[in-house]
Amino acid sequence: SQQGEEDPQALSIQEGENATMNCSYKTSINNLQWYRQNSGRGLVHLILIRSNEREKHSGRLRVTLDTSKKSSSLLITASRAADTASYFCATDENGANNLFFGTGTRLTVIP
Amino acid sequence: DAGITQSPRHKVTETGTPVTLRCHQTENHRYMYWYRQDPGHGLRLIHYSYGVKDTDKGEVSDGYSVSRSKTEDFLLTLESATSSQTSVYFCAISDLPADPYTFGSGTRLTVV
Repeated sequence: SQQGEEDPQALSIQEGENATMNCSYKTSINNLQWYRQNSGRGLVHLILIRSNEREKHSGRLRVTLDTSKKSSSLLITASRAADTASYFCATDENGANNLFFGTGTRLTVIP
Repeated sequence: DAGITQSPRHKVTETGTPVTLRCHQTENHRYMYWYRQDPGHGLRLIHYSYGVKDTDKGEVSDGYSVSRSKTEDFLLTLESATSSQTSVYFCAISDLPADPYTFGSGTRLTVV
């Protein structure tokens, strides 16, 4: 399997704290994407970072990419209860015609 | 989800019966994908399509077939359902393979 792996599998924080989750992958990529999934729903795209970028911001989200370590991190600042969801990274490893998804990090934000 | 719908949302079927899941898009995207989501495995690709009548296998294609006779519709068929195919099935669309995907709401399939 060419899936990425997220770490940790589960994360529980208080509202207002920052949440950091990590993703590792195995081969070369053109871009890496992060998705969010609320319980019982489909995945929603959050942010895309290209292989020649090191950091990208979108609102309260900050994504970093280290291609030398084949890893990425997603930081959610000032978390809210509504951020409670599962977060997945996805990559187009080896220029494949599809995305490979990790197993996800389950984030719980306690009000 | 805007531009993509899956049907049915829930289905219970018996082992050995054929099952067809439908994905319909209104975005005119070239690529359509079927993934299954299982605890501990994340999302795994079953089949994908890169145009009308153009399809290819994914990581877990055994026991599944697909068809795309129109740009907007991508059908996933379980020829003879087995209990191991109990899962949540997601359809996704994109204009290019590395573009962000838009996902459907999923079909929860239970094979008893």
